[in-house]
Amino acid sequence: GEDVEQSLFLSVREGDSSVINCTYTDSSSTYLYWYKQEPGAGLQLLTYIFSNMDMKQDQRLTVLLNKKDKHLSLRIADTQTGDSAIYFCAENPGYNKLIFGAGTRLAVHP
Amino acid sequence: DTAVSQTPKYLVTQMGNDKSIKCEQNLGHDTMYWYKQDSKKFLKIMFSYNNKELIINETVPNRFSPKSPDKAHLNLHINSLELGDSAVYFCASSQELWNTEAFFGQGTRLTVV
Repeated sequence: GEDVEQSLFLSVREGDSSVINCTYTDSSSTYLYWYKQEPGAGLQLLTYIFSNMDMKQDQRLTVLLNKKDKHLSLRIADTQTGDSAIYFCAENPGYNKLIFGAGTRLAVHP
Repeated sequence: DTAVSQTPKYLVTQMGNDKSIKCEQNLGHDTMYWYKQDSKKFLKIMFSYNNKELIINETVPNRFSPKSPDKAHLNLHINSLELGDSAVYFCASSQELWNTEAFFGQGTRLTVV
């Protein structure tokens, strides 16, 4: 079946690293995505990783993929208050659609 | 320049009414989508269109009818609105395959009273 799971909340202190985890179900997914949604705004693609990679780094963002366990994580280094948002993990099992997780609400406090 | 634009941003209407949400993309993409985000922020695809042709209809009630006059536009018409239709509706577009970046509009917050 199609199911993407994420923890719902994460609270971190400003300057610390944040790690948001996700598990997905469809091993045929070619790409896996992380989207960010700020309050009252649309979704912004943060990064994506091709399924034959196990790590991708983009400035403060590091994506780790464990394809065997179908586990994806997003690490944000030096988390800032502007990083407070909902982060959605998504897989594409083909069929011209994305399957989203429920989103992880990241709260950054001083 | 807004890549994917939706109108209106907010829509408040009474039960039983018929309403439309418009979406336009200026990216030259072939594929457009409608997603629904409920009050718990859960996002689920409703429709996808490729070159004006319906590709996916994810068991959406017949009261919802997408219309694509050209590949840059995908409008969503909703008949006989119900309270449960209250949600944020997102339009998105991408190249033909999902294996590339998808761009989302800012969303339309629909409130049915």
